[in-house]
Amino acid sequence: DAGVTQSPTHLIKTRGQHVTLRCSPISGHKSVSWYQQVLGQGPQFIFQYYEKEERGRGNFPDRFSARQFPNYSSELNVNALLLGDSALYLCASSWTTGTTGELFFGEGSRLTVL
Amino acid sequence: AQSVAQPEDQVNVAEGNPLTVKCTYSVSGNPYLFWYVQYPNRGLQFLLKYITGDNLVKGSYGFEAEFNKSQTSFHLKKPSALVSDSALYFCAVRDMGLTGGGNKLTFGTGTQLKVEL
Repeated sequence: DAGVTQSPTHLIKTRGQHVTLRCSPISGHKSVSWYQQVLGQGPQFIFQYYEKEERGRGNFPDRFSARQFPNYSSELNVNALLLGDSALYLCASSWTTGTTGELFFGEGSRLTVL
Repeated sequence: AQSVAQPEDQVNVAEGNPLTVKCTYSVSGNPYLFWYVQYPNRGLQFLLKYITGDNLVKGSYGFEAEFNKSQTSFHLKKPSALVSDSALYFCAVRDMGLTGGGNKLTFGTGTQLKVEL
């Protein structure tokens, strides 16, 4: 079975632009979470979606938004990009939410903002 | 708020020697603790977790972790290190306080493990 897939793998944007990152969870997983990993730091939680509903939101500005589709794939959108948004964006999936199970991570989308 | 601390930015060990990567946690209630590994330019791979039960948890690739409630620690260990174990290791705790039952993880800052011949 395929793991968590993310696209694009790398992208370069300029300040003020908008970006959309995509994630397909492992087949059968209904929960998708997004994390931001700035170089030299641990991943920081951005959002979690389960059954197309937001189940958690981290301490990120409203420029960050996400949604989950009926097939459980997800998009992360970031508007008005800032230099500080440069990071590796990780998507993680799990069977459900509110459980003690582990998250399965994709390889990430590396965003560079110039 | 839940948090974890990884006091060492880097750990160096010779191949064949035992390794320990340290993690301490701060939670309200029962801790749900995890270890993940990240290879260069890759996502995170799950190693092991502690939910309840035995304090010694066995995981992937020969790794194990010891949960110590009195010291609020969850150190990652391996009896005999391999050069291929060289990677970035993250300790994480699950946040049980999200409304809606979310499964947010709070990660430490990571420890770079370097195993040398």
